[in-house]
Amino acid sequence: DVKVTQSSRYLVKRTGEKVFLECVQDMDHENMFWYRQDPGLGLRLIYFSYDVKMKEKGDIPEGYSVSREKKERFSLILESASTNQTSMYLCASSPRDRVNTIYFGEGSWLTVV
Amino acid sequence: QKEVEQNSGPLSVPEGAIASLNCTYSDRGSQSFFWYRQYSGKSPELIMFIYSNGDKEDGRFTAQLNKASQYVSLLIRDSQPSDSATYLCAVRIYGNNRLAFGKGNQVVVIP
Repeated sequence: DVKVTQSSRYLVKRTGEKVFLECVQDMDHENMFWYRQDPGLGLRLIYFSYDVKMKEKGDIPEGYSVSREKKERFSLILESASTNQTSMYLCASSPRDRVNTIYFGEGSWLTVV
Repeated sequence: QKEVEQNSGPLSVPEGAIASLNCTYSDRGSQSFFWYRQYSGKSPELIMFIYSNGDKEDGRFTAQLNKASQYVSLLIRDSQPSDSATYLCAVRIYGNNRLAFGKGNQVVVIP
């Protein structure tokens, strides 16, 4: 059974804290994605990666960075969390040229207070 | 213009009726189109994809694509309470390995 695992389902962090959201996939997929989802705004792409150590900005990269040191792991980093980053974060992965076969993690609910 | 637009508000349909959802996209070169269903608090799951103009049927779901008019729709026949969810339209960006999503439409099926 294919799996994308987000290590933290629910987090509460303080403004200014550094936050790490971890995502691991066990399908040997080349592509990995981080989205955030907010009511009325749908899924918005933050960053994506086509391969190890490669990253591309999505639609809303400001305030975020990513790390992909190993193929199976894609980390989203909030350098200094702010209240407007309170959201649900979704990690996803897909094979290199088959983006239609995209698998989502269960989501990480982040609250910044 | 947003890449993918789903503009209609929450849709309430009686059980057994047809639910109709619409989506428009801006990139005329887009080739692949997807519908995802998302239950509250859960991650999206793929229910339909379509690549060619016309209709594609899968069980109670029918996806319709019109590339000339740049819209894709989803019909849910014989709607069931279990169909109550948010439906997300997604388009593969031309020349890119990523999907652009619409903001979603909530469907409520009333028993």
